[in-house]
Amino acid sequence: DTAVSQTPKYLVTQMGNDKSIKCEQNLGHDTMYWYKQDSKKFLKIMFSYNNKELIINETVPNRFSPKSPDKAHLNLHINSLELGDSAVYFCASSLQAGAADTQYFGPGTRLTVL
Amino acid sequence: GESVGLHLPTLSVQEGDNSIINCAYSNSASDYFIWYKQESGKGPQFIIDIRSNMDKRQGQRVTVLLNKTVKHLSLQIAATQPGDSAVYFCAENMGGNKLVFGAGTILRVKS
Repeated sequence: DTAVSQTPKYLVTQMGNDKSIKCEQNLGHDTMYWYKQDSKKFLKIMFSYNNKELIINETVPNRFSPKSPDKAHLNLHINSLELGDSAVYFCASSLQAGAADTQYFGPGTRLTVL
Repeated sequence: GESVGLHLPTLSVQEGDNSIINCAYSNSASDYFIWYKQESGKGPQFIIDIRSNMDKRQGQRVTVLLNKTVKHLSLQIAATQPGDSAVYFCAENMGGNKLVFGAGTILRVKS
């Protein structure tokens, strides 16, 4: 009965590869997010989707492509992985966009690019 | 632990004492603020929030204070316990539910 879940929890891959991270929420929320947390614990928003529509795109390289097949899922595909992509990626969800709602975070996916 | 090598502000308190974690935010137009707790290997966990029309809000063992004049937020934890050890983040809502997080503070509780 996990509220926001992500797979995989750990991902180790070589530079240049393409990988995907999946996120699902069972809270009935309309809005989902991807955040990146670097090695200094700095947490920064990357994308936000509201009911399958992109609403926030924070100057992320276009190698990163989020996809939302339905409002309960938001996946992150990364092409041509680089060393600097190594980080922990968190998915989050909130009730709706455009309102000050609490965001609930998933457990994170630790991506290591070798 | 995971905090080794991190150059975040660190607050060390004795078990049972009160803790105060401070945060400065940037946007005077921000209308919503949240405190999150992040334990090692886990995602940020909601603790307490406050809207800009309030200056104080209390939860169970936690209190958030908001000073809009100086753009300052604080989190007070009463009777700090070992399980409170974590990294604490403040976040401000910049509009449209875009959260901007502070740098984080490590709380260490000594038994």
